[in-house]
Amino acid sequence: EDKVVQSPLSLVVHEGDTVTLNCSYEVTNFRSLLWYKQEKKAPTFLFMLTSSGIEKKSGRLSSILDKKELFSILNITATQTGDSAVYLCAVRTDKLIFGTGTRLQVFP
Amino acid sequence: DTGVSQDPRHKITKRGQNVTFRCDPISEHNRLYWYRQTLGQGPEFLTYFQNEAQLEKSRLLSDRFSAERPKGSFSTLEIQRTEQGDSAMYLCASSLANEVEQFFGPGTRLTVL
Repeated sequence: EDKVVQSPLSLVVHEGDTVTLNCSYEVTNFRSLLWYKQEKKAPTFLFMLTSSGIEKKSGRLSSILDKKELFSILNITATQTGDSAVYLCAVRTDKLIFGTGTRLQVFP
Repeated sequence: DTGVSQDPRHKITKRGQNVTFRCDPISEHNRLYWYRQTLGQGPEFLTYFQNEAQLEKSRLLSDRFSAERPKGSFSTLEIQRTEQGDSAMYLCASSLANEVEQFFGPGTRLTVL
């Protein structure tokens, strides 16, 4: 059975800290891995990764994929309170399979 | 057309009642997906359409659930004889067939009493 596992389940940090969120997967027919940010509404797209070792960056967020070890990480540097959200990892097969998410809380 | 819309945003119903939700995708998107999300979990895939054809249904989708997309534009998800376990956020997403990124609507939060 296809599965996506995220860790940690929750994380509490202070503004300015750097965090690393993990996503591991076991799926058949892997096509790509996606990261989403979900606040009190629908998930919003952050990154799509298809190739190993190529870092994607957007401001303070970056992500990389390791297709040999079957995992991805999402880094957030210099965290801000506005980064507080649930971060979802999803693997695309012929559909999206989501992990349970990591709840990040950033306190001032 | 600024995004995916869903209606209603909230629905409270009594156990045993039928409910129907609507999703309007981004207009040029030919793929439409339904997901269910419960508290503390990521979205779970339910079903998806390409144009009006329903191409896949999850095993999670019991016989009480039915989805349609009759003209390849908006879609409806109906739940018959609701149960308390159906309480969840029902998310709709759309995409172009050759694009990976799915755009999510705001969801319909269902509470079954």
